[in-house]
Amino acid sequence: GAVVSQHPSWVICKSGTSVKIECRSLDFQATTMFWYRQFPKQSLMLMATSNEGSKATYEQGVEKDKFLINHASLTLSTLTVTSAHPEDSSFYICSAPHREGLLYEQYFGPGTRLTVT
Amino acid sequence: DQQVKQNSPSLSVQEGRISILNCDYTNSMFDYFLWYKKYPAEGPTFLISISSIKDKNEDGRFTVFLNKSAKHLSLHIVPSQPGDSAVYFCAASYNTDKLIFGTGTRLQVFP
Repeated sequence: GAVVSQHPSWVICKSGTSVKIECRSLDFQATTMFWYRQFPKQSLMLMATSNEGSKATYEQGVEKDKFLINHASLTLSTLTVTSAHPEDSSFYICSAPHREGLLYEQYFGPGTRLTVT
Repeated sequence: DQQVKQNSPSLSVQEGRISILNCDYTNSMFDYFLWYKKYPAEGPTFLISISSIKDKNEDGRFTVFLNKSAKHLSLHIVPSQPGDSAVYFCAASYNTDKLIFGTGTRLQVFP
């Protein structure tokens, strides 16, 4: 089946620095990708929709200046957490929808664990 | 405002028996529903989905039932296996690829 990768799988950074997370669709093109965040023992919360060639669409309550999203190609979306703070520590997951004929699925990356110290 | 809810945070089932995971939603506009299985520190893995035009979809040991009037769906796993132990999320979408996830149910299948 289709595969979505994320890099890095985990990252530790100091407060105030920026961290970039990559999401790649490995064997299909994705004009749209989604970024989620999951806090421990909680649900996956949709942060934003990444649109290839245009601006991302952010969910209510998500700071667009803090979580910069760039969808520069049909297989790559990046999420940059700017001026990270300890409360940004979380598990970040991306996904990409894929259609092939009547088959529709949304594939998720393995996630990135961000720890801000 | 939690549009998709899984009211049971955990479920324990004996191996070989049926596991029934429930999900309720509030938005009648949702037209597509999915179930995902997730392990800690990993991305969700797709299990099965159902369109709002159907009331049942089956794939091997997994069956999803949809009751639109009750805004309720359930995932049945028969027979349950120890390898099924994980957190299960239901998700819903409408007219778009955006998924709204439920709160998750931790399933434990014991021998």
